[in-house]
Amino acid sequence: GDSVTQMEGPVTLSEEAFLTINCTYTATGYPSLFWYVQYPGEGLQLLLKATKADDKGSNKGFEATYRKETTSFHLEKGSVQVSDSAVYFCALKRTGGSYIPTFGRGTSLIVHP
Amino acid sequence: DTAVSQTPKYLVTQMGNDKSIKCEQNLGHDTMYWYKQDSKKFLKIMFSYNNKELIINETVPNRFSPKSPDKAHLNLHINSLELGDSAVYFCASSQPGTGHEQYFGPGTRLTVT
Repeated sequence: GDSVTQMEGPVTLSEEAFLTINCTYTATGYPSLFWYVQYPGEGLQLLLKATKADDKGSNKGFEATYRKETTSFHLEKGSVQVSDSAVYFCALKRTGGSYIPTFGRGTSLIVHP
Repeated sequence: DTAVSQTPKYLVTQMGNDKSIKCEQNLGHDTMYWYKQDSKKFLKIMFSYNNKELIINETVPNRFSPKSPDKAHLNLHINSLELGDSAVYFCASSQPGTGHEQYFGPGTRLTVT
């Protein structure tokens, strides 16, 4: 079946550091890929997405590129802020078939001033 | 305007009780979901409901039942609450045209004592 694997957290960084959160997936066909962010005490919200190979999703300074050859969708940000502290979820939605998404286990990011 | 709303935000109750959580979305989406998030932030799909088709995660106890009075609402009923039901429950909705990207509610924190 489909699966999403994320690096375990927490990831702890100082403000203005470079961020990478790794995400790899297993799925048949060509899934759509998503990153969601969950701020403390809130629900998840879509951060960015990519629907086909080599697409780059970007939002709020975050980027992720759909790499079919490595089945990866790593999340990056050049300079993190304290306000980026949150839990980040990688997810996929298979094209066709079930519409139910598959989520990774989430990676907690803590940014210190 | 809140896109996906849930009530109550917090729910504290005793073992053996029956409780309900309400969810409403004003996005006009056809598909709604219930998720359970445990203390480690792991997100588990419980139900999805699409055009009157209910898909149940087979691992969900039959004490949990979704009820949809109309397309904009998907309520969650829980009978005979147990300590292990303590978690945060999220309602979400989606639409095929966006690749079923998920729109989450703010969550209901259920504590069973």
